[in-house]
Amino acid sequence: AQKVTQAQTEISVVEKEDVTLDCVYETRDTTYYLFWYKQPPSGELVFLIRRNSFDEQNEISGRYSWNFQKSTSSFNFTITASQVVDSAVYFCALSDRNSGNTPLVFGKGTRLSVIA
Amino acid sequence: DAGITQSPRHKVTETGTPVTLRCHQTENHRYMYWYRQDPGHGLRLIHYSYGVKDTDKGEVSDGYSVSRSKTEDFLLTLESATSSQTSVYFCAISEGGQLAKNIQYFGAGTRLSVL
Repeated sequence: AQKVTQAQTEISVVEKEDVTLDCVYETRDTTYYLFWYKQPPSGELVFLIRRNSFDEQNEISGRYSWNFQKSTSSFNFTITASQVVDSAVYFCALSDRNSGNTPLVFGKGTRLSVIA
Repeated sequence: DAGITQSPRHKVTETGTPVTLRCHQTENHRYMYWYRQDPGHGLRLIHYSYGVKDTDKGEVSDGYSVSRSKTEDFLLTLESATSSQTSVYFCAISEGGQLAKNIQYFGAGTRLSVL
């Protein structure tokens, strides 16, 4: 069975601090996909990144970076120099099987509050 | 932005009444999904569709049915709404195919209150 755990329910930081959101996953498949989505206060779900299981290269996009480690089944998300606009709920998700397009299994989300 | 429209965006209904939520896409994507979002649970899959008239159940399918008679529309029906079905419902789509990126794009959500 697949499972995604986001142990941090809520995090509060002061603007310009760095913050890391943790994500640990479980799956029996050797091929799978990991995702991060952002849900701002307006409520929509915004896709941030997809990573497949055979690509452990870390990724950086502006102030965002992702650290994928198969050895610890983790896919952590770091925001550098956080801003108030980063305040949102962040979801980590897993899709397994190598056929792709299988439904996502979501973690329960981490609510990030960035205080000015 | 992916062309996904959910309707209605808000609905208040009474226990025992039938309710149908609609998801309409303009992307011609093969896969469509219905999730519900509840505090403390994240998003959970209700049903999904992998083609016209092809659907499958998700984790929380009890009390829900779906239909997909054409590529662009995926309907979610609560046959007899209960208070436990008060939630925010999200529709999502993904492209499908061997080279697909399996990225799901979400609609704006429907907030349903069952009184």
